[in-house]
Amino acid sequence: DTGVSQDPRHKITKRGQNVTFRCDPISEHNRLYWYRQTLGQGPEFLTYFQNEAQLEKSRLLSDRFSAERPKGSFSTLEIQRTEQGDSAMYLCASSYDRVQETQYFGPGTRLLVL
Amino acid sequence: EDKVVQSPLSLVVHEGDTVTLNCSYEVTNFRSLLWYKQEKKAPTFLFMLTSSGIEKKSGRLSSILDKKELSSILNITATQTGDSAIYLCAPVYNQGGKLIFGQGTELSVKP
Repeated sequence: DTGVSQDPRHKITKRGQNVTFRCDPISEHNRLYWYRQTLGQGPEFLTYFQNEAQLEKSRLLSDRFSAERPKGSFSTLEIQRTEQGDSAMYLCASSYDRVQETQYFGPGTRLLVL
Repeated sequence: EDKVVQSPLSLVVHEGDTVTLNCSYEVTNFRSLLWYKQEKKAPTFLFMLTSSGIEKKSGRLSSILDKKELSSILNITATQTGDSAIYLCAPVYNQGGKLIFGQGTELSVKP
């Protein structure tokens, strides 16, 4: 049983560059969530998918952020024109609908924008 | 606005001590509450609490939800150095299931 995986685990980029992160959920999970966590804070919700449909986006998610889950399996989160304030840990979690709504987290992608 | 407050924010104890971590929430469309442990990596699941007054237990850890008081506690008995971590509570929204996390309680257990 493989858990949630994320790639890359670390990313260093220069301000203004675009970055893309990937998340592979637990195989039978139909819900996929993205969160962002900065030092000393709990994770903040960004967006979530049920199968391939993106059902909610946080107002924290600026227009520079876009997420996709094209076939209802893996998901990508892209940040365009990165800013130093985007530096954070980006966490992906998955769950199986409301019946088993416990969310299981991946290892995260740590982004540093210079 | 939805709010989750955990207390204390940090705690230092010695091995063998018992600790109680608190979580209070003001969340619309509340469905359940989850507790996670985070050790310099992604959060790992501890408990899901749905019903008020029913204790969930796993080894030395236990947790209970009080829907009337909009709060939950996490107890750890006979603490060990391996319990050192940040403990996060997260109410679950009824629609969509997104989690609203508190700031966490950083627990440090000294030998």
